[in-house]
Amino acid sequence: ILNVEQSPQSLHVQEGDSTNFTCSFPSSNFYALHWYRWETAKSPEALFVMTLNGDEKKKGRISATLNTKEGYSYLYIKGSQPEDSATYLCAPRYTDKLIFGTGTRLQVFP
Amino acid sequence: NAGVTQTPKFQVLKTGQSMTLQCAQDMNHEYMSWYRQDPGMGLRLIHYSVGAGITDQGEVPNGYNVSRSTTEDFPLRLLSAAPSQTSVYFCASSTDRGRRAFFGQGTRLTVV
Repeated sequence: ILNVEQSPQSLHVQEGDSTNFTCSFPSSNFYALHWYRWETAKSPEALFVMTLNGDEKKKGRISATLNTKEGYSYLYIKGSQPEDSATYLCAPRYTDKLIFGTGTRLQVFP
Repeated sequence: NAGVTQTPKFQVLKTGQSMTLQCAQDMNHEYMSWYRQDPGMGLRLIHYSVGAGITDQGEVPNGYNVSRSTTEDFPLRLLSAAPSQTSVYFCASSTDRGRRAFFGQGTRLTVV
């Protein structure tokens, strides 16, 4: 069983605050690290797919880093907005399996 | 542009009944997979397929069967439903192992 851990489980921040979450996973035999954003009553949508070269990804106010050797990734949100409220999932891909963590639930208050 | 379509959206079954959850994608994706989502457990992989005619087990395969006779369709069968299978089921597809997954809207299943 592959154990993908995300922390914290939940996070409440004020609008304008910057925040970050952690994803840790077994680093052997993984091919890529995915981050998804999941809004209530919707389906998960991809934010980033990070490959083994460990490059940093950025999309507007959201960025992510990946440490392939030690098996962890950070997701950063700069200047959080209420529309950023969602659950953020990370998922390392091992060969043909995409294994999800339990997610970090972010709530941004105006 | 339908993407990944799951049917039905909601279903109530009695213990012991069988049913098939349908998943179809129109993006010519080779990779398809089924997940279940339970409170506090995240998305857990049930079965997956890397192409037509090829399927394999995920993390929680017991009680479920799949087949992949075409690239487009990946149905999930519950042979004898149990209350423990009450969950929200998501189907996902991607072009290959390196690409992002696209998810269907989910099927909420209740077994009584």
